[in-house]
Amino acid sequence: DSGVTQTPKHLITATGQRVTLRCSPRSGDLSVYWYQQSLDQGLQFLIQYYNGEERAKGNILERFSAQQFPDLHSELNLSSLELGDSALYFCASSVGARFTTNEKLFFGSGTQLSVL
Amino acid sequence: AQKVTQAQTEISVVEKEDVTLDCVYETRDTTYYLFWYKQPPSGELVFLIRRNSFDEQNEISGRYSWNFQKSTSSFNFTITASQVVDSAVYFCALPGTSGSARQLTFGSGTQLTVLP
Repeated sequence: DSGVTQTPKHLITATGQRVTLRCSPRSGDLSVYWYQQSLDQGLQFLIQYYNGEERAKGNILERFSAQQFPDLHSELNLSSLELGDSALYFCASSVGARFTTNEKLFFGSGTQLSVL
Repeated sequence: AQKVTQAQTEISVVEKEDVTLDCVYETRDTTYYLFWYKQPPSGELVFLIRRNSFDEQNEISGRYSWNFQKSTSSFNFTITASQVVDSAVYFCALPGTSGSARQLTFGSGTQLTVLP
């Protein structure tokens, strides 16, 4: 168990809808990252938050947004969903904002999103 | 930009065989880290190892060993006496450059199937 909790585990919705994915980082971790894993794109970094503030942005669509709350949990909001948004969405957490000598990145078990 | 190449898309071995998964990377950073993750059929991403570029000693952990060669930009992963439970997709990953040091760039993964 990585200590990173993601809910829900599975989500099935229709095109055009909006969903929210939730992530609770490991105790003591201030950074949260979101990754998307799809068959055609592989594992792609979406966005990082550190202690409530956005730190880095990757290949995140404008229809997607995220935030990190004062209790450090994070939510990824996906709107106007399209068939191509079907993917496994991972959250990861770490202590700091950048890699240091001994730090690792631990991932949650993911949320499988199916857009029908 | 960072790039990770895992040329082996799928590997199939019989239990107790040794198997090596290749990873070749590109980076302009002089100091960097390399990661291996395992994704079993259940879907979660499991951290296996993190290696620093300034430490070229090979590492062994039980049946797992890693061969890091900076001269050839390779970080290969060997499983000795493979077991059915080793069946998974294995990813090699490299963090982003200093401005985005938390973004992991993943290879496309190698699907390992260990047959009984």
